[in-house]
Amino acid sequence: DAGITQSPRHKVTETGTPVTLRCHQTENHRYMYWYRQDPGHGLRLIHYSYGVKDTDKGEVSDGYSVSRSKTEDFLLTLESATSSQTSVYFCAISDQGQGGNQPQHFGDGTRLSIL
Amino acid sequence: GEDVEQSLFLSVREGDSSVINCTYTDSSSTYLYWYKQEPGAGLQLLTYIFSNMDMKQDQRLTVLLNKKDKHLSLRIADTQTGDSAIYFCAEGNYNTDKLIFGTGTRLQVFP
Repeated sequence: DAGITQSPRHKVTETGTPVTLRCHQTENHRYMYWYRQDPGHGLRLIHYSYGVKDTDKGEVSDGYSVSRSKTEDFLLTLESATSSQTSVYFCAISDQGQGGNQPQHFGDGTRLSIL
Repeated sequence: GEDVEQSLFLSVREGDSSVINCTYTDSSSTYLYWYKQEPGAGLQLLTYIFSNMDMKQDQRLTVLLNKKDKHLSLRIADTQTGDSAIYFCAEGNYNTDKLIFGTGTRLQVFP
């Protein structure tokens, strides 16, 4: 899907452990996004990046950090995972900021379960 | 703040038309989008419409936008079982750099 690979696709871990999710793109798009999808909430933005080393918070950023050291990779880290962070995580990319005529394209998601 | 609302479920018979509705709150939206999500997959962009347009047609898909009422709809003609999925509406504002998703409408197509 639009040259976006998320890894891992599935992960089960325990409360209190650190977790890192990776998003890799081959499209050379400037913008990358991390969302979480939960029943009844649709998609909510966690963090996004508008360039290498340039990131900003989204709607639900507490408990998450991100890093972007290369154009193609955007990492999402849960420093100390909690059960409330059990969710499906999606990465998206676009060539311009939100709300324009270059819509975001999504990866296939990572299903994360925290026990 | 901005909000996007959709009904949760829609069930239609194969061959009929489906109409999925969405309401939004940002009167300054620049673009509105429809995405489709199949089980176990990410969101796939179906179509989008500039906020100054009132209709866009793309094969079996017709998007209608009533900017005055902040109402967006997606009509799928000749609905097929392969159209069964969750459909997300999203409103975008390029000037404020925001994109807000609805909670999704699950479309079920029965024979």
